Amino acid sequence: DIQMTQSPSSLSASVGDRVTITCQASQDISNYLNWYQQKPGKAPKLLIYDASNLETGVPSRFSGSGSGTDFTFTISSLQPEDIATYYCQQYDNLQFTFGPGTKVDIK
Amino acid sequence: QVQLVQSGAEVKKPGASVKVSCKASGYTFTSYGISWVRQAPGQGLEWMGWISAYNGNTNYAQKLQGRVTMTTDTSTSTAYMELRSLRSDDTAVYYCARDVVTKVDYWGQGTLVTVSS
Repeated sequence: DIQMTQSPSSLSASVGDRVTITCQASQDISNYLNWYQQKPGKAPKLLIYDASNLETGVPSRFSGSGSGTDFTFTISSLQPEDIATYYCQQYDNLQFTFGPGTKVDIK
Repeated sequence: QVQLVQSGAEVKKPGASVKVSCKASGYTFTSYGISWVRQAPGQGLEWMGWISAYNGNTNYAQKLQGRVTMTTDTSTSTAYMELRSLRSDDTAVYYCARDVVTKVDYWGQGTLVTVSS
């Protein structure tokens, strides 16, 4: 099974800061990598699919890049409403695996 | 608009079974799959498995093989997830989500299942 790691596990940043989260797969997953945002008590929300495509209606300050085993998620200018936990998720051989999550809060 | 509405919270004793429903609306139910994802208190997301609403094919996470069954009722656009032989570590919020092969794009509101003696 493919394992996913994320770093950092948590971060604290100021409003307007650029925030970067990395996700690494244990083997090549091409671009089958998605990013989700989950706010406390709420269901996750799809932000980025296929590594770099912005889901409809998601603000353009969110972006993703990477392929193979190494991926990056970026918030270009952190906003108060971005406080959440972010998860990467891979697809391989009819199976999904989520990363452990990165909790983002405001400094 | 796409909506997935799940059944209400459940409290079960160890060894019992639970069946959670997920009613879909706003799209052609048989054109997509449904994935089930759970989240234990304070923990991350765990994919449980997938069912095709088109033909009923399933694929379950190896960890849950033998204890989980996913079904659909196309006449009511409803998906079901049954988990048997419940243990305390099955206590979690269970989500259904519309599956678009490599991603899930719409989620239900979640159903809390508590396993306690």
